[in-house]
Amino acid sequence: DGGITQSPKYLFRKEGQNVTLSCEQNLNHDAMYWYRQDPGQGLRLIYYSQIVNDFQKGDIAEGYSVSREKKESFPLTVTSAQKNPTAFYLCASSILQAGGYVADTQYFGPGTRLTVL
Amino acid sequence: EDQVTQSPEALRLQEGESSSLNCSYTVSGLRGLFWYRQDPGKGPEFLFTLYSAGEEKEKERLKATLTKKESFLHITAPKPEDSATYLCAVQAGNQFYFGTGTSLTVIP
Repeated sequence: DGGITQSPKYLFRKEGQNVTLSCEQNLNHDAMYWYRQDPGQGLRLIYYSQIVNDFQKGDIAEGYSVSREKKESFPLTVTSAQKNPTAFYLCASSILQAGGYVADTQYFGPGTRLTVL
Repeated sequence: EDQVTQSPEALRLQEGESSSLNCSYTVSGLRGLFWYRQDPGKGPEFLFTLYSAGEEKEKERLKATLTKKESFLHITAPKPEDSATYLCAVQAGNQFYFGTGTSLTVIP
């Protein structure tokens, strides 16, 4: 079955610690995204990537970093610089249309809940 | 400022009581409008994509419609298993804007 997997499902971070969230897709999608979801707020974009070895900052990139070494994988690192990292993190992917420039429907993974201890 | 607003924030229905959820948007250059269902602690599950005003799509008890300023998600004769948060998102260019969702509870 094609889909998006995220791991772990739950993650706990101590103060001053960096943690990495995994996102893998086997949909052959070019574009991948990371969102943060907080209660009462819409999804907020952290980073996105439309091609291997290239990515762009979203609205709330501070304190986060990503890499895109393979088309299938888009890991997110939450660094110690992120002061309020407790949230539900969602990875998504989409095809690109219009010659590879415009994204289409996003499909989401199951999410990772990060809690700061 | 581009914005997506969903209403109501919460909706309680008796089983079988049909209703509609609203998603209004102010983005310019709409490329697509998306509806998702999200269960607690899970990722959003894709339901529909609508691309142009007048378009309608159906899936089981759900029907999504689109005008130039808003979209409706109609739920016909809902069942308790339809209880979830329904998210709306719009795409302008390569930007996606999400609403805060409508929490639907269907009471048996």
